[in-house]
Amino acid sequence: QKEVEQDPGPLSVPEGAIVSLNCTYSNSAFQYFMWYRQYSRKGPELLMYTYSSGNKEDGRFTAQVDKSSKYISLFIRDSQPSDSATYLCAMSAVDTDKLIFGTGTRLQVFP
Amino acid sequence: DSGVTQTPKHLITATGQRVTLRCSPRSGDLSVYWYQQSLDQGLQFLIQYYNGEERAKGNILERFSAQQFPDLHSELNLSSLELGDSALYFCASSPTGDLRGQPQHFGDGTRLSIL
Repeated sequence: QKEVEQDPGPLSVPEGAIVSLNCTYSNSAFQYFMWYRQYSRKGPELLMYTYSSGNKEDGRFTAQVDKSSKYISLFIRDSQPSDSATYLCAMSAVDTDKLIFGTGTRLQVFP
Repeated sequence: DSGVTQTPKHLITATGQRVTLRCSPRSGDLSVYWYQQSLDQGLQFLIQYYNGEERAKGNILERFSAQQFPDLHSELNLSSLELGDSALYFCASSPTGDLRGQPQHFGDGTRLSIL
């Protein structure tokens, strides 16, 4: 079993939809949670960064962490075609700066 | 623009050869990480350097090695290349290696194609 599981998609939604992307994990030591966006032929770009449980909002993006369920989510409101990319979750424990990545979910937002 | 620079962008070579990938971290970042990304494996951590010293090792093959120089740029050396080494290789950097959970910022990668 992988430490971090992420549905590969593709997830196809119409413009303006609310998108929900999710990851589950098995290591209860994870405390830092990140979401990266990766466009084709580009490196991953940091979108959201959270510590421990709770919500964090940044513009159209909201990150949620539920440590009791070992489940994290990224919500995108009013999705745009420019949001079409692969979204990677990543996490790390307090005793390391090594990040463990999910395999990524490919999102397509059509006009 | 993340501030992390990787060269070359694309490398084409043959089996058995050796290549060197180069990474310049963001200004002020002391830690450099190398990752391999392939279609079936996702983003796999290879190795981390902090201020010139090896800090952590991941799934790095013995044929691969890395180093970080005094000016903090890093090189990843891949030798005795095999077809299966074809992948995207990313470098990332973060400010220090002492504060846990710091987000990493990625370059745009080097696409390695083995013919």
